[in-house]
Amino acid sequence: NAGVMQNPRHLVRRRGQEARLRCSPMKGHSHVYWYRQLPEEGLKFMVYLQKENIIDESGMPKERFSAEFPKEGPSILRIQQVVRGDSAAYFCASSLGTAGSYEQYFGPGTRLTVT
Amino acid sequence: AQTVTQSQPEMSVQEAETVTLSCTYDTSESDYYLFWYKQPPSRQMILVIRQEAYKQQNATENRFSVNFQKAAKSFSLKISDSQLGDAAMYFCAYRSANTNAGKSTFGDGTTLTVKP
Repeated sequence: NAGVMQNPRHLVRRRGQEARLRCSPMKGHSHVYWYRQLPEEGLKFMVYLQKENIIDESGMPKERFSAEFPKEGPSILRIQQVVRGDSAAYFCASSLGTAGSYEQYFGPGTRLTVT
Repeated sequence: AQTVTQSQPEMSVQEAETVTLSCTYDTSESDYYLFWYKQPPSRQMILVIRQEAYKQQNATENRFSVNFQKAAKSFSLKISDSQLGDAAMYFCAYRSANTNAGKSTFGDGTTLTVKP
C-alpha cells in the first residue's frame, strides 16, 4: 500500500507567481490535512478536508491560500501571488477516519522556495 | 485551544546512553491522544510512539518509552541505548479523541544530537 504522495518535492517560485501543491492520500483514506512548517518551527495546521468538503480551515491565511479535495484526483493546496514569507515545507497527511484514534499518515512534504 | 510546549530546543546524548525529551500540553479535554514524531534530515515525519490519555500505562516501543503524567499534563519521551540513527528533530503532538478530531497540534520540536 503506497503511502501519502506529495508532488512536487521541491518547488521554486518567483514572487507574485502561483504555487500548486498536490497530495494523494493513502488508498482508502478520505480525510486530508495540510500543515506548514516554517524553518526551526513545528508543523502548524492549515486545513482539513474530506472529499469535496472543507471541514476546518481555521489555520489557513485569509488571503491567497485555498485548498480543495475533489471527488476524483489529489488534494490541491494553492497559493496565489506568493511572497517570500510563504517559503516553507508543506506537509499533507491522510487518515482513514476523523476520530482521534485514527492515525494520520504524513507525506514527505513539498519544500517551497520563493525567490 | 490546545497548546503543546517543548521547552528544550536542543538536546545531546552520548551513544548508548539514555536521554529524555520533555513535552507539556494544555487542554480542557479529558480524552485525547499524544504522539511523538521523529523528523530526520529527510523531513519525513515518522511516528515514534503514541499514548491514549485514558490509559494509565505508559506506552513503550522497543527503546522508546514515555512518561505520561495526566494531572501534570506532561508527556516526556525516553530514548534508551541511543543510536546514531536517533539523531533527528523530535515533535510532540496532541490530538483530540472526539469523533471529529481533525487536526493535530504540534510543539516546536527538540533537535537531538547523538555523539559517537
